[in-house]
Amino acid sequence: QQPVQSPQAVILREGEDAVINCSSSKALYSVHWYRQKHGEAPVFLMILLKGGEQKGHEKISASFNEKKQQSSLYLTASQLSYSGTYFCGTENRAAGNKLTFGGGTRVLVKP
Amino acid sequence: SAVISQKPSRDICQRGTSLTIQCQVDSQVTMMFWYRQQPGQSLTLIATANQGSEATYESGFVIDKFPISRPNLTFSTLTVSNMSPEDSSIYLCSVLRPYRGGTDTQYFGPGTRLTVL
Repeated sequence: QQPVQSPQAVILREGEDAVINCSSSKALYSVHWYRQKHGEAPVFLMILLKGGEQKGHEKISASFNEKKQQSSLYLTASQLSYSGTYFCGTENRAAGNKLTFGGGTRVLVKP
Repeated sequence: SAVISQKPSRDICQRGTSLTIQCQVDSQVTMMFWYRQQPGQSLTLIATANQGSEATYESGFVIDKFPISRPNLTFSTLTVSNMSPEDSSIYLCSVLRPYRGGTDTQYFGPGTRLTVL
């Protein structure tokens, strides 16, 4: 079953912060975050493995709560280059390396 | 990461015809995946292709419609057969590569944009 991402879209001014959530109805082994710009391939950002662990990429970080089966992506002091669609891909042990992607969150950062 | 190329990058085809999409990787990989992404939508896994074995298809996708070949560890093809306008989409391949700390993740090719008239 597809994980649920929220919000579906967000508009930011440069320098503002945003949080994107990814929730699953299944027990998770890992969560993978990607960003896709229009007309391009999804680009891998980070992977979350352990509960509560935060990873970072530029000023983008994420957390993973195993018990709640959810992950959050934090865009801090957003830059114009952060615009794009963010997807979470969830992996459970039974699926073995297969990712199920959420519906995506469109982020637009304006000057 | 990995350097992945796909051919063609885009194509316009007539209904009832077939198109074969190629995916080439710059290094050997065990697992390759094929996805479909309809305009403005998420990524939907079509099948997993491991070298030396038959592809494993996800629910809703069948081998007769999407035959896959995986002749070696750096190459795979996906054929979209007997196309209809509903097959218009972006088709992406991805490969599983090591990341850090014993983890693996997927890296995507640039995609093939298919339009069926």
